[in-house]
Amino acid sequence: AQTVTQSQPEMSVQEAETVTLSCTYDTSESDYYLFWYKQPPSRQMILVIRQEAYKQQNATENRFSVNFQKAAKSFSLKISDSQLGDAAMYFCAYRRANFGNEKLTFGTGTRLTIIP
Amino acid sequence: NAGVTQTPKFQVLKTGQSMTLQCAQDMNHEYMSWYRQDPGMGLRLIHYSVGAGITDQGEVPNGYNVSRSTTEDFPLRLLSAAPSQTSVYFCASSFVASNYGYTFGSGTRLTVV
Repeated sequence: AQTVTQSQPEMSVQEAETVTLSCTYDTSESDYYLFWYKQPPSRQMILVIRQEAYKQQNATENRFSVNFQKAAKSFSLKISDSQLGDAAMYFCAYRRANFGNEKLTFGTGTRLTIIP
Repeated sequence: NAGVTQTPKFQVLKTGQSMTLQCAQDMNHEYMSWYRQDPGMGLRLIHYSVGAGITDQGEVPNGYNVSRSTTEDFPLRLLSAAPSQTSVYFCASSFVASNYGYTFGSGTRLTVV
């Protein structure tokens, strides 16, 4: 079974600084998708960024970027120029790429605090 | 564009009571699922469906029941509530074979006393 591990239960960063959240996963599949979700205090789950395993190029969405290391099964999220609105729980998630395997497997989350 | 609508947002139940959490989506997504979120455990899959009339169990299905009679609706039934079912519940949907992740509902905070 696939597993997703987030080893940092809590992280904090100074406003305007850069922070990296770690995620590792275990799979025997070669084709899959990886996601980072943000959950602010409102409880809403918001997709931040996604990565397709067959793409070597790291995904980027504005201030958010990933460092995808397929051989190491690592998928870290970098947040640049941190803002107060970035304070949230962040979940890493994995999904196989086959039809009928839409199940998302989540890590346990990292709570990010932004220090003004 | 409503997306995924979950009701209620909050609920308090007594041990042994039953209830149904409602989930509806208007995006014509084939895939729908229910997760529960507990502190330190992330989100765990309860049940899922890949289309009307088709449901299957996730990793924590005990004490829950689902049905999928239409593409739009995927209710979750708690048969006899227990304190261990105190949690936040999320409904999520997507197209099958989609790489765009899920669209989530806003969640239901359930407390069983």
